[in-house]
Amino acid sequence: ETGVTQSPTHLIKTRGQQVTLRCSSQSGHNTVSWYQQALGQGPQFIFQYYREEENGRGNFPPRFSGLQFPNYSSELNVNALELDDSALYLCASSLEDRGGNEQFFGPGTRLTVL
Amino acid sequence: AQRVTQPEKLLSVFKGAPVELKCNYSYSGSPELFWYVQYSRQRLQLLLRHISRESIKGFTADLNKGETSFHLKKPFAQEEDSAMYYCALYTGGFKTIFGAGTRLFVKA
Repeated sequence: ETGVTQSPTHLIKTRGQQVTLRCSSQSGHNTVSWYQQALGQGPQFIFQYYREEENGRGNFPPRFSGLQFPNYSSELNVNALELDDSALYLCASSLEDRGGNEQFFGPGTRLTVL
Repeated sequence: AQRVTQPEKLLSVFKGAPVELKCNYSYSGSPELFWYVQYSRQRLQLLLRHISRESIKGFTADLNKGETSFHLKKPFAQEEDSAMYYCALYTGGFKTIFGAGTRLFVKA
């Protein structure tokens, strides 16, 4: 059984650019959630994908978007990067039957926006 | 508003002392609560959830709906318990809200 993986590990971008972060879910999991974790804060829910559709979204603007693929891997895209987007981005996978299941987290991607 | 509050950013105790990490939540529905832990250089992982009512690594947490709390407790802290602890609330709507976290430091 393979765990959740994320790529890249670190990324540096400049304001206004676009970025794509990738996540492979744990084997057998069909649900992926993305979180933004600013320094000194807990993870903030961005959105969740279940069977290739977004089925939940936190308080993030539309320039944060995502995709889930048939193999349940996922991408997080952020357009028009702002300085405040600098954070650790976490991906978590779970097996969604009724909700509230244990989430398995990846190591995160550290994004720095200059 | 849906919210999770962990009032202590840092909690420092001696080995063998009791530990209580506080968590309060705000949610009008029926909550599902979790404690996640992150040890040094490891990824975030589930410690326990209130539905299973288990004791994991000696930790327990009881949901108190009257006080809207889900405090994490352990009677005798160990050095290996030093970590970052996050309380999390599943609100339905496929959304999980995390608290800001409490860093537990267990001194020898």
